[in-house]
Amino acid sequence: DGGITQSPKYLFRKEGQNVTLSCEQNLNHDAMYWYRQDPGQGLRLIYYSQIVNDFQKGDIAEGYSVSREKKESFPLTVTSAQKNPTAFYLCASSIRGGYSPLHFGNGTRLTVT
Amino acid sequence: SQQGEEDPQALSIQEGENATMNCSYKTSINNLQWYRQNSGRGLVHLILIRSNEREKHSGRLRVTLDTSKKSSSLLITASRAADTASYFCATEPYNTDKLIFGTGTRLQVFP
Repeated sequence: DGGITQSPKYLFRKEGQNVTLSCEQNLNHDAMYWYRQDPGQGLRLIYYSQIVNDFQKGDIAEGYSVSREKKESFPLTVTSAQKNPTAFYLCASSIRGGYSPLHFGNGTRLTVT
Repeated sequence: SQQGEEDPQALSIQEGENATMNCSYKTSINNLQWYRQNSGRGLVHLILIRSNEREKHSGRLRVTLDTSKKSSSLLITASRAADTASYFCATEPYNTDKLIFGTGTRLQVFP
């Protein structure tokens, strides 16, 4: 079955540590996205990538970094510079070119203490 | 920045009733999409309406778009307990290739 896999489902880290969230898709989609969701809130765009080896900042990129070395993979690193990292992180993918719905993974809930 | 704002924030109805959710946005768009999210899960795409379309149907879902008012509505007819979820509108602003989500409506359908 095609889809998007995010791992792990739950992640716990100490403050000051960097942490990397995994996102893998086998839908052959060119575009991939990272969103952050806080309790009772909508989704805010962190980074997105339309093609391998290229990515753009979203609305809240500070304290985050990404790479896109393979079409299937778009890992997100939450760095120690991110002031409020505890959140639900959602990865998505779509066919490039607009008018395309996003396919979402089931998210990673990150808790930093 | 939040492009879309859903109204109401929360809605409780009985099974069999219709549920209407509204979305307002700020800038010109290429298209508007509606998504559903069950608690603790990823979002699932429901329907996409292009900026030159006014109404679209999919099963029990009916979406309207009024670009002059920068607003959209999602109607779920004959609701079921399984429709309980949060519903989000998302807009693709004109000349961009990213999707911006609203704040969502939490729908509770009681059996």
